[in-house]
Amino acid sequence: TQLLEQSPQFLSIQEGENLTVYCNSSSVFSSLQWYRQEPGEGPVLLVTVVTGGEVKKLKRLTFQFGDARKDSSLHITAAQPGDTGLYLCAGASGYSTLTFGKGTMLLVSP
Amino acid sequence: NAGVTQTPKFQVLKTGQSMTLQCAQDMNHEYMSWYRQDPGMGLRLIHYSVGAGITDQGEVPNGYNVSRSTTEDFPLRLLSAAPSQTSVYFCASSDRDRTEYFGPGTRLTVT
Repeated sequence: TQLLEQSPQFLSIQEGENLTVYCNSSSVFSSLQWYRQEPGEGPVLLVTVVTGGEVKKLKRLTFQFGDARKDSSLHITAAQPGDTGLYLCAGASGYSTLTFGKGTMLLVSP
Repeated sequence: NAGVTQTPKFQVLKTGQSMTLQCAQDMNHEYMSWYRQDPGMGLRLIHYSVGAGITDQGEVPNGYNVSRSTTEDFPLRLLSAAPSQTSVYFCASSDRDRTEYFGPGTRLTVT
């Protein structure tokens, strides 16, 4: 069974701070996805990384896929209250179903 | 495009009752899935389908049935509701690049 461990589980910060969320596994994934879920809604895809060592930027969000394709990180620069939400990572491997982490709940206060 | 739609948005059932959660997508995706989301447990896969007429079990299939008679629809049936099935249920569809498009969810309470 493939597992994805996310840390931290919960993060409460002030507007303007930087933060990093981690997604780790002992398994290799062919690609890794990051989703954000706002209260009362379904998760929405932010980015997919597919190459070991790949770095993708989405405005103030930077995503990195580990060289061995077993881990990933999400870094947010100068967090804003609009970044508040549950961040989920999900790994894809072959033809099997996606493996989701349990998520990191981020609260950004003004 | 409406994307993935789910009905109802909220539902309260008594133990032992049955019901069907509806899910439809208009993106012509082959893959559809049902997840449940519980605090501290993340998203857990209940059942999934890789095309019309083909379904398979996920991580937590007990107490649920699915069918896929068309590409667009993927209903989830609760056979005899139990309090342990109190949860938020998400339907999702995906294309070949494995991106999941989620519906807005159904919040189910079983008393």
